[in-house]
Amino acid sequence: DAGVTQSPTHLIKTRGQQVTLRCSPKSGHDTVSWYQQALGQGPQFIFQYYEEEERQRGNFPDRFSGHQFPNYSSELNVNALLLGDSALYLCASSLRVGRQETQYFGPGTRLLVL
Amino acid sequence: QKEVEQDPGPLSVPEGAIVSLNCTYSNSAFQYFMWYRQYSRKGPELLMYTYSSGNKEDGRFTAQVDKSSKYISLFIRDSQPSDSATYLCAMTSGGGADGLTFGKGTHLIIQP
Repeated sequence: DAGVTQSPTHLIKTRGQQVTLRCSPKSGHDTVSWYQQALGQGPQFIFQYYEEEERQRGNFPDRFSGHQFPNYSSELNVNALLLGDSALYLCASSLRVGRQETQYFGPGTRLLVL
Repeated sequence: QKEVEQDPGPLSVPEGAIVSLNCTYSNSAFQYFMWYRQYSRKGPELLMYTYSSGNKEDGRFTAQVDKSSKYISLFIRDSQPSDSATYLCAMTSGGGADGLTFGKGTHLIIQP
């Protein structure tokens, strides 16, 4: 049973560029959440997708946008990249049934903005 | 004041010791509490999940939640060098599938 997978593993971009990161959830999961983890910090919640719609959003500007596809996979898009966007971007999947469900994280995509 | 406070460490203990890791929080709406372990350059791995106040034990790990004090703990018994990692507390109000609020993480080193 494959866990959460993310691509690419590493990415280097320059300021002002746009980036797209991809996530495939754990088999059987229908909800995808994205987190940003800066060096030495805990992950910060960006947003969550369920039924192809954004259901929750953290305190991130609208330069950060996303999409969920019918097969539950998801993309995170970041426009007009800033140096401060350099971080590990984590995808987590879960099954939105009841309140006892937990989130399983992928290995992350490490983004460096120069 | 951050919503979740966690001492970043590093915390260094000898192999076999009992380790105590803690977080405090300010949002009284939090009801679901998790502990994740994160090895260097990897994604977080869920260790423990607790709802509301109380204790939960799983093997060498025990999680405690004291909602009256807004304080959660993770205890690791018989610590091993393989336990060396960053331990992140996380919490949410609406259920485990909701967006999580994390602490900064505590870097734990178990000395052989």
